[in-house]
Amino acid sequence: QVQLQESGPGLVEPSQTLSLTCTVSGGSINSGTYHWSWIRQPAGKGLEWIGRIYTSGSTDYNPSLKSRVTISLDTSKNQFSLKVNSVTAADTAVYYCARGPGSLAFDIWGQGTMVTVSS
Amino acid sequence: QSVLTQPPSMSGAPGQGVTISCTGSSSNIGAGYYVHWYQLLPGTAPKLLIYTNSNRPSGVPDRFSGSRSGTSASLAITGLQAEDEADYYCQSYDSSLSGSVFGGGTKVTVL
Repeated sequence: QVQLQESGPGLVEPSQTLSLTCTVSGGSINSGTYHWSWIRQPAGKGLEWIGRIYTSGSTDYNPSLKSRVTISLDTSKNQFSLKVNSVTAADTAVYYCARGPGSLAFDIWGQGTMVTVSS
Repeated sequence: QSVLTQPPSMSGAPGQGVTISCTGSSSNIGAGYYVHWYQLLPGTAPKLLIYTNSNRPSGVPDRFSGSRSGTSASLAITGLQAEDEADYYCQSYDSSLSGSVFGGGTKVTVL
C-alpha cells in the first residue's frame, strides 16, 4: 500500500528556509488523479493546511502562507517538497505530508516530522 | 480562529455516544463542499475517519458516522470505547480562501 515519509532538518534558524521532502512508496506519485499536500500542527494547536500540488504541477497555497511557501514535485524520485522562507518561531510545528483524492480529503498521511525554529 | 468551528472537548462513558459538531459558512460547508473527518492519536499518523460527508474508509468501524446539513456537519460516535479517546478534526474546502480548511479540533475523553 502507498506510504508517505517526511524527511528534513529538525532545527531551522530564524529567518532561514525550512525545507522538507515527502517520499512516496508503494505507488507512483504520478498515478491517478491525486493531489499532494503539506499540513502542519503547532504544539497545542489545530491542523493548518499549507498547500498542495497536483501531478500536473499546478499548486494551491493557504493565503496566509502563500508569500513564503513553495511546493514542488520530483516525479523521478517519487517525492514532493516544501520550502518555507523567512521562518520564525511561529513556524515551529509538526509537519505532515498527505495524499488526497479528487474529493479534496486527505486519505493517506505521513507520520509527521517535528521542526523547531530556534537559534 | 479556525474557519470551521468545533467544540474544544467532549466526553462520554464507555458504551455511550457523542456527537461532534462542525459549523462552517456559505463559502465552505454551506456551499456544498464535502466534509471529511480525521482522528488524531498521539504519536501516530492522522487517520481519515469519514470522507465526503458520510462515507467510511475500509476498516473504520460503523460506530463512526457522519452527516452534513446546511452550513454544519457532525460526527457521531456510538458505543464509545477506550481507544476512541483522541482528537477529531473536520475539514472542508473554502471557496473564498481557495483552499482546504480545518476545524479547531475536538478532544474526546472516554470517562
